[in-house]
Amino acid sequence: GEDVEQSLFLSVREGDSSVINCTYTDSSSTYLYWYKQEPGAGLQLLTYIFSNMDMKQDQRLTVLLNKKDKHLSLRIADTQTGDSAIYFCAEHRGSTLGRLYFGRGTQLTVWP
Amino acid sequence: GAGVSQSPSNKVTEKGKDVELRCDPISGHTALYWYRQSLGQGLEFLIYFQGNSAPDKSGLPSDRFSAERTGGSVSTLTIQRTQQEDSAVYLCASSFDSRSPLHFGNGTRLTVT
Repeated sequence: GEDVEQSLFLSVREGDSSVINCTYTDSSSTYLYWYKQEPGAGLQLLTYIFSNMDMKQDQRLTVLLNKKDKHLSLRIADTQTGDSAIYFCAEHRGSTLGRLYFGRGTQLTVWP
Repeated sequence: GAGVSQSPSNKVTEKGKDVELRCDPISGHTALYWYRQSLGQGLEFLIYFQGNSAPDKSGLPSDRFSAERTGGSVSTLTIQRTQQEDSAVYLCASSFDSRSPLHFGNGTRLTVT
């Protein structure tokens, strides 16, 4: 399809790992991004991965990229209540300069 | 350094009035974007400026919407004759160039009564 797709909700217990999944659309996409949005705030860039990489790790965050299936995931280790937010997946399509195409966001709720 | 700054943070206006939303991008960023986020919806692309090139206006929902970027820096998004369906959070972002990550401001929450 034409849309970047994400599941809308995820709930985890504090201390567990969270995995947020995303399916993007363009096999020629160059960069893929994860943004975090807390209530009343704008989008904060969490991490991004270039399309020639399979994995990127940054502290508690691990991004996995499966180009064959156009699947992107974000794993948050040792999830904390402060990680509760909406997480957006976005792609930078190779065919279109500039703009990012966003999924609808996954609301992550972390229970103490 | 300073991030993307948007003003006002909140705007309440009556249906039919015009509004202007302002965005100050990060200094040195050549690309500037406007997105709209409606309640329960994802991010809707509105317009993209890159340097001195003609802007990509393909996301503007109607001719009531327009945007300018003066001097390659500050941008203003104008909505004329506002309608209730224009109520949303308007997010501005900038990036170093068209291939770099976008950095977002905190948005302007527009409420049309």
